[in-house]
Amino acid sequence: DIQMTQSPSSLSASVGDRVTITCRASQSISTYLNWYQQKSGKAPNLLIYAASTLQSGVPSRFSGSGSGTDFTLTITNLQPEDFATYYCQQTYSSLERTFGQGTKLEIK
Amino acid sequence: EVQLVESGGGLVKPGGSLRLSCAASGFTFSNFDLNWVRQAPGKGLEWVSYISSSTYHKYYADSVKGRFTISRDNAKNSLYLQMNSLRAEDTAVYYCARDWRFCDNGVCGLHFDYWGQGTLVTVSS
Repeated sequence: DIQMTQSPSSLSASVGDRVTITCRASQSISTYLNWYQQKSGKAPNLLIYAASTLQSGVPSRFSGSGSGTDFTLTITNLQPEDFATYYCQQTYSSLERTFGQGTKLEIK
Repeated sequence: EVQLVESGGGLVKPGGSLRLSCAASGFTFSNFDLNWVRQAPGKGLEWVSYISSSTYHKYYADSVKGRFTISRDNAKNSLYLQMNSLRAEDTAVYYCARDWRFCDNGVCGLHFDYWGQGTLVTVSS
């Protein structure tokens, strides 16, 4: 099984800040890594796929990087609507599509 | 417009059964692989099960293997999850989600591009 570990589990930041969330896979997953944003009571929304490709309609302040086992999601110039929970997901394994445990981004 | 609409959630006693449905519209259903993902109250996302477009391949999380069965009816544009021997820890919002596979300039990937709004399953006596 491929385990996905996100850090930190929670994060406080202010509007205008730059934040970075990391995700580590227990084995190499190439760039089969996606990032989702979830707001309370809503379904997740795709932000980044293939580690670094921005989903259509997602603001350019979101960016992703990494390959192999280590990945990052960076949000620059935080906006009020960005305060949410973020999940990474690996889709390298055909048998499972594992999510990280999530990072809750809160307003400082 | 792509839409996925789950139904069938509700309150069930431990050991009971429930069948969830996901009605799809706005795309050629038989061309896409699909998944079930759940989220326990206050917890993170957990992938539950996958089914290929042809139904040939089906995969399950270890936590539900042997108790849950995924299926689909391509003629009815519907995805199902039969849940048996339910436990308190199966209490969650259950989402259906569509696979999107691509290869572009040598980079291949797979992600969930559309999700339903979820249906709540509560397992309690």
